[in-house]
Amino acid sequence: AQSVTQLGSHVSVSEGALVLLRCNYSSSVPPYLFWYVQYPNQGLQLLLKYTSAATLVKGINGFEAEFKKSETSFHLTKPSAHMSDAAEYFCAVSGHGNNRLAFGKGNQVVVIP
Amino acid sequence: EAGVAQSPRYKIIEKRQSVAFWCNPISGHATLYWYQQILGQGPKLLIQFQNNGVVDDSQLPKDRFSAERLKGVDSTLKIQPAKLEDSAVYLCASSLDPGQMNTEAFFGQGTRLTVV
Repeated sequence: AQSVTQLGSHVSVSEGALVLLRCNYSSSVPPYLFWYVQYPNQGLQLLLKYTSAATLVKGINGFEAEFKKSETSFHLTKPSAHMSDAAEYFCAVSGHGNNRLAFGKGNQVVVIP
Repeated sequence: EAGVAQSPRYKIIEKRQSVAFWCNPISGHATLYWYQQILGQGPKLLIQFQNNGVVDDSQLPKDRFSAERLKGVDSTLKIQPAKLEDSAVYLCASSLDPGQMNTEAFFGQGTRLTVV
């Protein structure tokens, strides 16, 4: 079974500082990996996805993530946090040929002015 | 284009009552998913439809949950009878045929269910 692990439910970051959210995956086959963002009382919005093309994936709102097979990781970064980045972020994995997503527990990001 | 529509947005019921949620996917999306998101956790897949057939319902508690997708478009998810632990946000998502390259799932705003 495929799964992802996100550590640290709450992450505080100062405005203008680096945002780093960690995600490690477990999969017996090459996975598809995703990062989603969820704003309060909203559905999930796709930030970016890895589908076995380039290992460095650029997404919306200045976010990017790097797939590292040796570390089974897909960490999300943004060089400079903005107040509007305050939200919950989920890492997810799926197999090829389906969009059946297995999500991590999420990281609640708080941006401190 | 219009997104995934869900209703109602909020529902409060007493335990042992029944409840139904409705989802209208993006036009042309063959695949529809229902996820359950309990507070403090990531969404968990309950059921996946391809057109009007069930692809995966392995995590659906079939003793109390049921879902159908009429004519391969709209879908309803029902809980009968509800338990306190069913309190959660129920998210519907849709996508083009996932066998195609570069598809993604689009999510609705969800229905927040509170069972008291």
